[in-house]
Amino acid sequence: GAVVSQHPSRVICKSGTSVKIECRSLDFQATTMFWYRQFPKQSLMLMATSNEGSKATYEQGVEKDKFLINHASLTLSTLTVTSAHPEDSSFYICSAPAAGGSEKLFFGSGTQLSVL
Amino acid sequence: DQQVKQNSPSLSVQEGRISILNCDYTNSMFDYFLWYKKYPAEGPTFLISISSIKDKNEDGRFTVFLNKSAKHLSLHIVPSQPGDSAVYFCAASGGETSGSRLTFGEGTQLTVNP
Repeated sequence: GAVVSQHPSRVICKSGTSVKIECRSLDFQATTMFWYRQFPKQSLMLMATSNEGSKATYEQGVEKDKFLINHASLTLSTLTVTSAHPEDSSFYICSAPAAGGSEKLFFGSGTQLSVL
Repeated sequence: DQQVKQNSPSLSVQEGRISILNCDYTNSMFDYFLWYKKYPAEGPTFLISISSIKDKNEDGRFTVFLNKSAKHLSLHIVPSQPGDSAVYFCAASGGETSGSRLTFGEGTQLTVNP
């Protein structure tokens, strides 16, 4: 099946620094990728939709200046958490839809961000 | 507004018995439903799905039932195995969340005891 690779798997950083998370579709092209965030014991919450060659679409309440998304190619989307603070500590997961407009999503392995 | 709800945060069953995980939704525009399985520190993996034109879909030990009038779906795992222990998320799409934009429930932690 389709594989989505996410890197890094874990990041520990100081407050105020920026962190970049990469999401790659390894054996298929993804014009759209989705970024989710999950706090402990809560659901996966969609943060934004990354669109190749155009601006990302952010969900209500998500700061676009804080969570910068770049979808530079058909296989790579990046999420940069700028000036991270402890409240940004969370599990970030990217996903891409299966080919042919399928409703099924393939997920990356996630990135656990801890901001000290 | 939680449009997809999994009211049981946890479920514990014995190996070999049936596991039944439940999910309720409020948005009548949802027309496609999926179940994902998630291990700690990993991304969710797709398990099984069902379209609103069906009321049952079966894949090996996994069966999903959909009751549209009650806006309820359930995932049955039989027989349950210790390796099934994970968090199970119910997800839905359709209407305003069309395409691959999925709305997830809160998840149910399934523990299968040997």
